[in-house]
Amino acid sequence: GQQLNQSPQSMFIQEGEDVSMNCTSSSIFNTWLWYKQDPGEGPVLLIALYKAGELTSNGRLTAQFGITRKDSFLNISASIPSDVGIYFCAGRGTGNQFYFGTGTSLTVIP
Amino acid sequence: GAVVSQHPSRVICKSGTSVKIECRSLDFQATTMFWYRQFPKKSLMLMATSNEGSKATYEQGVEKDKFLINHASLTLSTLTVTSAHPEDSSFYICSAREAANYGYTFGSGTRLTVV
Repeated sequence: GQQLNQSPQSMFIQEGEDVSMNCTSSSIFNTWLWYKQDPGEGPVLLIALYKAGELTSNGRLTAQFGITRKDSFLNISASIPSDVGIYFCAGRGTGNQFYFGTGTSLTVIP
Repeated sequence: GAVVSQHPSRVICKSGTSVKIECRSLDFQATTMFWYRQFPKKSLMLMATSNEGSKATYEQGVEKDKFLINHASLTLSTLTVTSAHPEDSSFYICSAREAANYGYTFGSGTRLTVV
């Protein structure tokens, strides 16, 4: 199946720092989702984006739907230890199914 | 919010046996469910789309006879790994979408180990 390019692959940051990650696709998407996955668990939805240019926040998290509709960005401000995990983007084109990015592993150093 | 229950969370089986994994939407009806497979430190790969009352749609490269999907009701989809081999060992996750909105909720996953 299709897979999206997500970067960076991993990040090691100090507590309190801001985090940015992005996801790109070769095709146009109509919906972008951002998930966080803890070890041994299923992904949990963080933010959903439905319109090009849309900027949506969820607490310290902000995500944007790129205007080209081929990319999306996730920012985490003032990181805390519980932000540790793997973050995935997911995109949907004209079909029902979502395809996932390659993941960004985030480590927050206290 | 929408809850998806997946069972079992862990299973160990012998090579050559079959294993069934259940995915239930607890407080909503799901006409469509999705099955993913995830290898360690890797992303989720969509295996198939499960449609209530009809045949599942498999992604390219996924063996439909190996991974049997049944979506007999609006709240239950099952994935059966037939004649399991060690290379089938993986983390399998389902997700479901409540018909009224675009939110996709994931189950907690099933860790399958074939010995």
